[in-house]
Amino acid sequence: DTGVSQNPRHKITKRGQNVTFRCDPISEHNRLYWYRQTLGQGPEFLTYFQNEAQLEKSRLLSDRFSAERPKGSFSTLEIQRTEQGDSAMYLCASSFRTGGGGETQYFGPGTRLLVL
Amino acid sequence: AQTVTQSQPEMSVQEAETVTLSCTYDTSESDYYLFWYKQPPSRQMILVIRQEAYKQQNATENRFSVNFQKAAKSFSLKISDSQLGDAAMYFCAYSPPMNRDDKIIFGKGTRLHILP
Repeated sequence: DTGVSQNPRHKITKRGQNVTFRCDPISEHNRLYWYRQTLGQGPEFLTYFQNEAQLEKSRLLSDRFSAERPKGSFSTLEIQRTEQGDSAMYLCASSFRTGGGGETQYFGPGTRLLVL
Repeated sequence: AQTVTQSQPEMSVQEAETVTLSCTYDTSESDYYLFWYKQPPSRQMILVIRQEAYKQQNATENRFSVNFQKAAKSFSLKISDSQLGDAAMYFCAYSPPMNRDDKIIFGKGTRLHILP
């Protein structure tokens, strides 16, 4: 297993376009998280899944953002009608939530989005 | 609601010296998990060290150790024999107990500079 992977690594788009990012978690992990990170800041929670169920979505997230994890494996994050304020690094992390072992998140390399 | 506070936005340390990064958190839970993550410039976030709240013994990983003060809700990271490769953003994180479906919460980070 090579860890969490994200594609694409970089995306440049024009304002108003739609973009979609993909995250492939570590195979046995049941939880998958999406974060947004701007320069010099900590990860800002966007949403997370346990298997295929989306358990929480940040109240800061506009309706232009949607995420799916259809089969409880990979996940996609779509941003519709992108705005310049959406420019950021989008991080994916996965973990295995167990009954007694706690939860450690493993991060992917991120997708850096630039909206022109 | 749980919060994680890192009061030092930036720190510097001379190579080979020891540095301590501070983290405080707020929770009403008695069983939880704490983490330090490292994010080198333009690189992936990786786990440095993890502490279970029920364990009194402080976690240690090579040159990295923590000072976990449960009553004070303090979780500092000590880096001994600092190396140039330790330069990074360091994030403290809190994970709720296993019977909760809450997400992990990150602090805003401390940028560590290593002076040659």
